[in-house]
Amino acid sequence: NAGVTQTPKFQVLKTGQSMTLQCAQDMNHEYMSWYRQDPGMGLRLIHYSVGAGITDQGEVPNGYNVSRSTTEDFPLRLLSAAPSQTSVYFCASSNTLQAAFFGQGTRLTVV
Amino acid sequence: GENVEQHPSTLSVQEGDSAVIKCTYSDSASNYFPWYKQELGKRPQLIIDIRSNVGEKKDQRIAVTLNKTAKHFSLHITETQPEDSAVYFCAASNPNSGYALNFGKGTSLLVTP
Repeated sequence: NAGVTQTPKFQVLKTGQSMTLQCAQDMNHEYMSWYRQDPGMGLRLIHYSVGAGITDQGEVPNGYNVSRSTTEDFPLRLLSAAPSQTSVYFCASSNTLQAAFFGQGTRLTVV
Repeated sequence: GENVEQHPSTLSVQEGDSAVIKCTYSDSASNYFPWYKQELGKRPQLIIDIRSNVGEKKDQRIAVTLNKTAKHFSLHITETQPEDSAVYFCAASNPNSGYALNFGKGTSLLVTP
């Protein structure tokens, strides 16, 4: 099993550009979520989903959109990239009361 | 929303000593509490978790305790080894937010030989 797969691993964007971070899981997990990790801030929740067609905002949702058309995929869209969105992004998936598995992360730099 | 506080932010111990990291949470609906270890440049990896119907759980050198009344939980690592050096994160989750994780800010543990 691949687990949780994120693409790309690295990305450099110019301010104002848009892009989509991909996340796919092959464990048939109900729940998926996106986090950003900044030095000294831990991991902060951006958006989460409890199933196909259902998404909700986390702690830091501004500037990001998500959708969940299938159980497997949960892409994160940056609408108009800003330097403040420079971060490492992690996608995770889980089932009820079970451990969340993380993807390998995407290191994003916005210049 | 849920607020998770984690202490200390840094911890240095000698090899063989014990290490304790403490977390508190605010939402009484939280019922699942995992601990993650993250090495530099890597993804967080689960090391142990506990559900709210259990007060303590142990896995070899690692144990977690949970006090639901006080809303705090702790990670205990005994007989520490240099390879235990990493950043450790506690988290809390509940069914009201799809079991998405609310993380503490992390503890950087250094185990010196």
